[in-house]
Amino acid sequence: LAKTTQPISMDSYEGQEVNITCSHNNIATNDYITWYQQFPSQGPRFIIQGYKTKVTNEVASLFIPADRKSSTLSLPRVSLSDTAVYYCLVGDLDSSYKLIFGSGTRLLVRP
Amino acid sequence: GAGVSQSPRYKVAKRGQDVALRCDPISGHVSPFWYQQALGQGPEFLTYFQNEAQLDKSGLPSDRFFAERPEGSVSTLKIQRTQQEDSAVYLCASREPNDRGQNTGELFFGEGSRLTVL
Repeated sequence: LAKTTQPISMDSYEGQEVNITCSHNNIATNDYITWYQQFPSQGPRFIIQGYKTKVTNEVASLFIPADRKSSTLSLPRVSLSDTAVYYCLVGDLDSSYKLIFGSGTRLLVRP
Repeated sequence: GAGVSQSPRYKVAKRGQDVALRCDPISGHVSPFWYQQALGQGPEFLTYFQNEAQLDKSGLPSDRFFAERPEGSVSTLKIQRTQQEDSAVYLCASREPNDRGQNTGELFFGEGSRLTVL
């Protein structure tokens, strides 16, 4: 399973766009990139998933360059309630149901 | 409640005591997963089931840990002779069934059971 590297923490202000980049240099051909969000005292929650290029949903966008060795989670116009830990996961969904979490990025949104 | 239900939410145990943590997946979901999350760390995989079969228990830290799913959808994680290093939040998750056996990568997590071993 490919290892991921993310910043330990990030600070932002309400209304700003936040971009969290994840490095996964050893990503394999069949690997997908998935992001989860976790609030204190709650379990992680699926945000978005992609394989290449760009994926957008009602919560976030995921940008994946052609070499797929990194990905960027983009949160538009964050609010205080977006303060959470964000995890980047990489894995082959076809051969393993097991998700491997790293330490994540602690995002703090200030008023 | 439509989410994954875990109980107890909080458990305090004396060192050496046995504990049992219960997980009730979302109705209609399959494959309960168990994760352990230490303070300030990401969740770490323990084990998972597919239907009644425990397909992967590679993450269980010792033989004091075992999970079962005797019938129905409920799963139980049991820890025998608890140690202080077992203190953590234990998360259960489930996933939607997929007739083609495909994995979407989306797990639905419960709020966890916080175990404190004194």
